[in-house]
Amino acid sequence: EAGVTQSPTHLIKTRGQQATLRCSPISGHTSVYWYQQALGLGLQFLLWYDEGEERNRGNFPPRFSGRQFPNYSSELNVNALELEDSALYLCASSWGRNTEAFFGQGTRLTVV
Amino acid sequence: AQRVTQPEKLLSVFKGAPVELKCNYSYSGSPELFWYVQYSRQRLQLLLRHISRESIKGFTADLNKGETSFHLKKPFAQEEDSAMYYCALRNRDDKIIFGKGTRLHILP
Repeated sequence: EAGVTQSPTHLIKTRGQQATLRCSPISGHTSVYWYQQALGLGLQFLLWYDEGEERNRGNFPPRFSGRQFPNYSSELNVNALELEDSALYLCASSWGRNTEAFFGQGTRLTVV
Repeated sequence: AQRVTQPEKLLSVFKGAPVELKCNYSYSGSPELFWYVQYSRQRLQLLLRHISRESIKGFTADLNKGETSFHLKKPFAQEEDSAMYYCALRNRDDKIIFGKGTRLHILP
């Protein structure tokens, strides 16, 4: 069974541009979580989608947004990129509440 | 505030010695607590959860509500235990809050 897949694995953007990161959950999983792993800051919760709806959001500015598609895959969009947005962005999926979350390998975003 | 604190960024332990990775949490209610591990060049994966009360790869963790702690322990460290370890809490809104992680380095 395929795990959580994220694309691209690496992304380089310049300041002010927009980045789109993609996540395909494990088949049958309806919940998708996005985390930012910046150097020295650990894993910071970004967004949680379940059944196509945004259920929860972390303390990030509105230029971080996303959506979940009918097939439960998800996109994370970061607008007006800043240098501090450089980080590893991890996606995780689960069956839903109170179930184990499985992580993807991440997308490393570098803003120059 | 809901918070997970891992006080040690790096922990170096000799092979065969006991390991204890500290985790303290702040949460008003009954939390669900986890330990995740990330080995070199691998994805983050669940190591154990407190409700299972199981031992995985020789690791155990006991929830101490009085001390609001969920320390991860192993009696005898092995070289393959070298990894990044994250303590995490799932709140009633199903959000998983992670600590900043502790890098465990097993010395030969």
